[in-house]
Amino acid sequence: EVQLVESGGGLAQPGGSLRLSCAASGFTFSSYSMNWVRQAPGKGLEWVAYINTRGSTIYYADSVKGRFTISRDNAKSSLYLQMNSLRADDTAVYFCAKRYCDTRACYYLDHWGQGTLVTVSS
Amino acid sequence: DIVMTQSPDSLAVSLGERATINCKSSQSLLYTSNNKNYLAWYQQKPGQPPKLLISWASTRESGVPDRFSGSGSETDFTLTISSLQAEDVAVYYCQQYFNIITFGQGTRLEIK
Repeated sequence: EVQLVESGGGLAQPGGSLRLSCAASGFTFSSYSMNWVRQAPGKGLEWVAYINTRGSTIYYADSVKGRFTISRDNAKSSLYLQMNSLRADDTAVYFCAKRYCDTRACYYLDHWGQGTLVTVSS
Repeated sequence: DIVMTQSPDSLAVSLGERATINCKSSQSLLYTSNNKNYLAWYQQKPGQPPKLLISWASTRESGVPDRFSGSGSETDFTLTISSLQAEDVAVYYCQQYFNIITFGQGTRLEIK
């Protein structure tokens, strides 16, 4: 059974930093690209970042570019999101999500973690 | 960037009636080399992560009740729930994966 478990959320000051982790199990982590998606309280889903299987291709939403860094450790089956220069509008539940992939490419998000809440406030 | 726009923003339907949610893409999601539309639908209930319902615009995931169906092509897509059940109350999102990922703003489905 695929499991994705996020951790590292909490309260941060504006301008501060947090590092989120996502522990993966139940599948060959190194074979799948991964994403972070966030959801502000009472709002919709916003894609945040993407990383391919080897970490050689990375994309970010414009709203976090230059402040957030996605990374992965395939040996530990773990995904990370380093969040710097945090702002109040970064307050959200952050989900890690696995993409369905075949031999050619990766597509939709087929498994999601339960999410971890990040609150940015003074 | 591909912009996804859903309509309506909210919808109230009687139990047993049909619910229809629309999703429009700012550019075609049809990949001509494989003739597939890169469009998925998700259901999200309060306090839960989104759940994948449909991929490739019309392929229902395993375990998803057959009252859920997806249709459409290129830029216009529809999620239909043929006979609304109480457990279908949720927010529904469309999502394109043609170019990275973007979501629609969501449609809140309630019981009338």
